[in-house]
Amino acid sequence: GENVEQHPSTLSVQEGDSAVIKCTYSDSASNYFPWYKQELGKGPQLIIDIRSNVGEKKDQRIAVTLNKTAKHFSLHITETQPEDSAVYFCAASWGGADGLTFGKGTHLIIQP
Amino acid sequence: DSGVTQTPKHLITATGQRVTLRCSPRSGDLSVYWYQQSLDQGLQFLIQYYNGEERAKGNILERFSAQQFPDLHSELNLSSLELGDSALYFCASSVVPGTEKLFFGSGTQLSVL
Repeated sequence: GENVEQHPSTLSVQEGDSAVIKCTYSDSASNYFPWYKQELGKGPQLIIDIRSNVGEKKDQRIAVTLNKTAKHFSLHITETQPEDSAVYFCAASWGGADGLTFGKGTHLIIQP
Repeated sequence: DSGVTQTPKHLITATGQRVTLRCSPRSGDLSVYWYQQSLDQGLQFLIQYYNGEERAKGNILERFSAQQFPDLHSELNLSSLELGDSALYFCASSVVPGTEKLFFGSGTQLSVL
């Protein structure tokens, strides 16, 4: 089955700086790559996703890039703000009934 | 608010007991997924239902079972509970199975003492 590795497990950046979280996946059949943000006491919330026919997608301060050849994808957050502090999960899916395989998460800490 | 409702928010019980977790999907979503979240294992897929039928099983223990009812709500039953079953249990829904956006509920925190 699919295996998703996510790095780093913890990332601390200064407010206003950029943050990058990286994931690799194992199954070349995977074609859907979402990113979720989980705040304390809440469920994961979809923030951005990308399909395998696209190399990059941007939504305001967040962007995701996908390298199908290398089987890795990254989340980029620019001009970080205190409300960006959360745990971020990457995931991959090939469209099977078992849905998404998640990475183990990155705890992003924004230092004031 | 994702539109997915989970009850109860917290559940405290003893080893050997049985509990039921409930999930109502977003309006219009036919597919329901159950995930277990623990600190060391991350988000683990348990089971998926689509329009009342089981579609896929993940790392679900035999002591655990689930079902989806005609009104599309789902229940996850956990029996013969062990200390290691303590975790956050999330339900998610999507319109159809496959590469679709999943919307998660706020979870049920299960503590087995």
